[in-house]
Amino acid sequence: SQELEQSPQSLIVQEGKNLTINCTSSKTLYGLYWYKQKYGEGLIFLMMLQKGGEEKSHEKITAKLDEKKQQSSLHITASQPSHAGIYLCGATPRQAGTALIFGKGTTLSVSS
Amino acid sequence: GAVVSQHPSWVICKSGTSVKIECRSLDFQATTMFWYRQFPKQSLMLMATSNEGSKATYEQGVEKDKFLINHASLTLSTLTVTSAHPEDSSFYICSARVGLLEKLFFGSGTQLSVL
Repeated sequence: SQELEQSPQSLIVQEGKNLTINCTSSKTLYGLYWYKQKYGEGLIFLMMLQKGGEEKSHEKITAKLDEKKQQSSLHITASQPSHAGIYLCGATPRQAGTALIFGKGTTLSVSS
Repeated sequence: GAVVSQHPSWVICKSGTSVKIECRSLDFQATTMFWYRQFPKQSLMLMATSNEGSKATYEQGVEKDKFLINHASLTLSTLTVTSAHPEDSSFYICSARVGLLEKLFFGSGTQLSVL
């Protein structure tokens, strides 16, 4: 079955530092999504990647999808306390229109 | 962006009772909605796909008689946890897609606690 592996599981960084979270699939993905969540709350959509080699940025967050569409990274530049939370990668593994499957998430803490 | 409203945000109920959770797409029509379940410090697990006007498709291991899903209109899907037990306590969250390859929007979730 399709699985998404996320790493690291948790991360503590000092405010102002850069960080990267990875998401890997054993199969080619139709779409890769990044969300942020605070536990017990809904998911906040960050970015969606569909094309191999695609890269998108929003404010200080950049997401990339590799050419094979099996690995994605989320990079945060100059982290701030507001970046703290759980980052989840989700993907549509089979075909367009199907539900997302999710990685286990990366818990990010930013110390000031 | 599109808004998905989920209600209630939290509910506490006695064991054996049934609980209904509503998921509404506020500014778009959602022919398909998805229901997820999340345990503390774990990822979201897909429970079922809710299709407007037809039966829901359940993931393996999810009891369809326990988790009743109704998608009677293009803007509303409901999940009813029947005869709830403490092990059903979890965070339930719904989502809806706008278009086939578009973003998946999520509700704010429902924390269910069964005593």
